[in-house]
Amino acid sequence: ILNVEQSPQSLHVQEGDSTNFTCSFPSSNFYALHWYRWETAKSPEALFVMTLNGDEKKKGRISATLNTKEGYSYLYIKGSQPEDSATYLCALGGYSTLTFGKGTMLLVSP
Amino acid sequence: EAGVAQSPRYKIIEKRQSVAFWCNPISGHATLYWYQQILGQGPKLLIQFQNNGVVDDSQLPKDRFSAERLKGVDSTLKIQPAKLEDSAVYLCATARQGAYEQYFGPGTRLTVT
Repeated sequence: ILNVEQSPQSLHVQEGDSTNFTCSFPSSNFYALHWYRWETAKSPEALFVMTLNGDEKKKGRISATLNTKEGYSYLYIKGSQPEDSATYLCALGGYSTLTFGKGTMLLVSP
Repeated sequence: EAGVAQSPRYKIIEKRQSVAFWCNPISGHATLYWYQQILGQGPKLLIQFQNNGVVDDSQLPKDRFSAERLKGVDSTLKIQPAKLEDSAVYLCATARQGAYEQYFGPGTRLTVT
């Protein structure tokens, strides 16, 4: 059974702050690491799928890095905005099922 | 393209009652998943379909849960009878065959009282 850990569990920042979250996973049998953003009452939205060690991806103010050898990924948000408030989920998986962490709940206050 | 559709969005039932959820995938997506997300936990896979065949149902509580995907398109997930611990968000996700990325619907929030 894969164990995917996310930290922190929740985070409250002010508008304009930059923040980051961590996703830790077993480094053996790695296929892909997924990041999702899940806003209340909406569908989880795919942010990134990362497969290669050292991979860095960026989408607007959000970026992510991947270290498969040590088993972690970081998600960064630069200049947080209230609309970034959501739960950020990471998941391990390839062409099959995803194993999710519990998520990091981010609240950005104006 | 239209996203994954799910209905109903919310459902409240009493324990021992039955309930069914419906999912309509993105057109052409051969793979369909049902996940259960209990408050405070990450989504957990219940069942995976490839077209209309079951690929993985190892975590589906088969004494009370059932799912089908007739004609390899729409899918329904049923709970009969429901227990209090079934209160959760039920997410449907679909993917193109051979693709990593899964696309999620908005989920059905079930409350069992």
